[in-house]
Amino acid sequence: DSGVTQTPKHLITATGQRVTLRCSPRSGDLSVYWYQQSLDQGLQFLIQYYNGEERAKGNILERFSAQQFPDLHSELNLSSLELGDSALYFCASSVFGTTDTDTQYFGPGTRLTVL
Amino acid sequence: KNEVEQSPQNLTAQEGEFITINCSYSVGISALHWLQQHPGGGIVSLFMLSSGKKKHGRLIATINIQEKHSSLHITASHPRDSAVYICAVRSYNTDKLIFGTGTRLQVFP
Repeated sequence: DSGVTQTPKHLITATGQRVTLRCSPRSGDLSVYWYQQSLDQGLQFLIQYYNGEERAKGNILERFSAQQFPDLHSELNLSSLELGDSALYFCASSVFGTTDTDTQYFGPGTRLTVL
Repeated sequence: KNEVEQSPQNLTAQEGEFITINCSYSVGISALHWLQQHPGGGIVSLFMLSSGKKKHGRLIATINIQEKHSSLHITASHPRDSAVYICAVRSYNTDKLIFGTGTRLQVFP
């Protein structure tokens, strides 16, 4: 158990809908990362927050948004869902948010299926 | 061409064999990560390297910055090592991780 929690574990929804994925980091970790893992593209970095502020942005679509709240939990909002958004979405956390010194601890993932 | 390439894509081994998984990258990096993804989907960080070699139990990771290459070795492999092993790099000018496509390892008893 990494100490990172993600809810829900599974989500099935229809095209055009909007969903919210939630992540609670390990106690003491200030940074949260979101990743998407699809069958055809592997793991891709979406966005990173550090202590409530956006720190880095990756291949995140405009239909997707995220935030980190004062209690350090984070939410990833996916809207106008398309079939291609079906994937595993992972959250990870680390203490300082630097990927050359920090170990990242991954949550169990949320499996999103868009029908 | 992907910025991070792993080989082989798939690997099968008999229990007890020595295993090597390779990662080559084309960007300048400040760190390289090896991750393990279990069949159930969970991801665990195994190593973070910026130079040299690290060892943890039966796992050894090495990196050659000049050759832009890293290897992950598993000694005395065991069926519980069956997983996907993913290499990821942090390039100099960004704090983002760039991932390889993974190596699927199956170890048979």
